Amino acid sequence: DTEVTQTPKHLVMGMTNKKSLKCEQHMGHRAMYWYKQKAKKPPELMFVYSYEKLSINESVPSRFSPECPNSSLLNLHLHALQPEDSALYLCASSHLTDTQYFGPGTRLTVL
Amino acid sequence: AQSVSQHNHHVILSEAASLELGCNYSYGGTVNLFWYVQYPGQHLQLLLKYFSGDPLVKGIKGFEAEFIKSKFSFNLRKPSVQWSDTAEYFCAVNPSGRALTFGSGTRLQVQP
Repeated sequence: DTEVTQTPKHLVMGMTNKKSLKCEQHMGHRAMYWYKQKAKKPPELMFVYSYEKLSINESVPSRFSPECPNSSLLNLHLHALQPEDSALYLCASSHLTDTQYFGPGTRLTVL
Repeated sequence: AQSVSQHNHHVILSEAASLELGCNYSYGGTVNLFWYVQYPGQHLQLLLKYFSGDPLVKGIKGFEAEFIKSKFSFNLRKPSVQWSDTAEYFCAVNPSGRALTFGSGTRLQVQP
């Protein structure tokens, strides 16, 4: 099973809202990632968790707050987003330096 | 910093034509190399990968790629494309750690 699941599939939020994106994998992977993908662009790395600890933060604004409550779950908390944050948010997981498997993404629209 | 270049941004082919998509990277050390595909409305899927060994790697759906270390290249090929191959193709590298750097992508359009 190489499945990474993400919820919700679609999310529309106002600039004052607080929402969360969720990601889950049951492959025993100990590295999990958040990427942001704008239309017709490649995914851009946001955060990397390794053994439930944040190991890479690619200078992401603080209105994005990641959380890794356990080895299977990864959350991305959103607060006071801007319209330019509208994008597809992708979660991925891997056995550390091995192949990354991607979820279907959450399509976020910020009004 | 490492970078990945995909020079073909948009490729249009007829069915049964042969395909070659270019990928070059700039990193002098050991790299892991990947090709991912994103079909319309679907998530990124792994086509193939190279970590070590035989530089000619075969992936799913008849795709293959050749790693040429001297040219810092990892080009994707398919001898005969199908309409269902219409998608966005991303080359990616992962030098030593866990973060992938993606190329800008190549949009392949196969006409029936």
